[in-house]
Amino acid sequence: DSGVTQTPKHLITATGQRVTLRCSPRSGDLSVYWYQQSLDQGLQFLIQYYNGEERAKGNILERFSAQQFPDLHSELNLSSLELGDSALYFCASSVATSGGPQETQYFGPGTRLLVL
Amino acid sequence: EDKVVQSPLSLVVHEGDTVTLNCSYEVTNFRSLLWYKQEKKAPTFLFMLTSSGIEKKSGRLSSILDKKELFSILNITATQTGDSAVYLCAVAATGNQFYFGTGTSLTVIP
Repeated sequence: DSGVTQTPKHLITATGQRVTLRCSPRSGDLSVYWYQQSLDQGLQFLIQYYNGEERAKGNILERFSAQQFPDLHSELNLSSLELGDSALYFCASSVATSGGPQETQYFGPGTRLLVL
Repeated sequence: EDKVVQSPLSLVVHEGDTVTLNCSYEVTNFRSLLWYKQEKKAPTFLFMLTSSGIEKKSGRLSSILDKKELFSILNITATQTGDSAVYLCAVAATGNQFYFGTGTSLTVIP
């Protein structure tokens, strides 16, 4: 158990819908990262937040957005869902100092999203 | 385009064998290379490598980085069934970008 929690565990929805995935980082970790893992593309880095502020963006679609709240939990919002958005979404956290790199990330168990 | 390529895609060995997993990368502004083990759930961190030629070791697992040739290997000696997993290689670049390979699936047969 990494200490990172994600809800829900599974999510089934229809195309065109919007969903919100939630992540609570390990106690003391200030950085949260979101990843998408699909069968054909492996793990794709989406976005990172540090202490409430967006720090880095990867391959995140415009239909997707995220935020980190004052209590450091984070939410990933996926809208106008398409079949291709079906994937495992991981959240990871790390103890990142301001402006400094921190590669040791601890992953949550993931949310499996199925878009029908 | 930045990319990380792992080989082989899949490997099946018997308990006690030694395996070598490969990771090559083409990433601008390289910062570090990381190895993760992914069983049924979330990836778990194994190693972080930043300097060439310095072996990192943890029990039966070891890894080394070659920044000139842009690759890393992960060795597992005396494999056990509990080593069965997907092993992921990732490269961290400046700007907090992370690039993952598609992984090597290792199956260890008793």
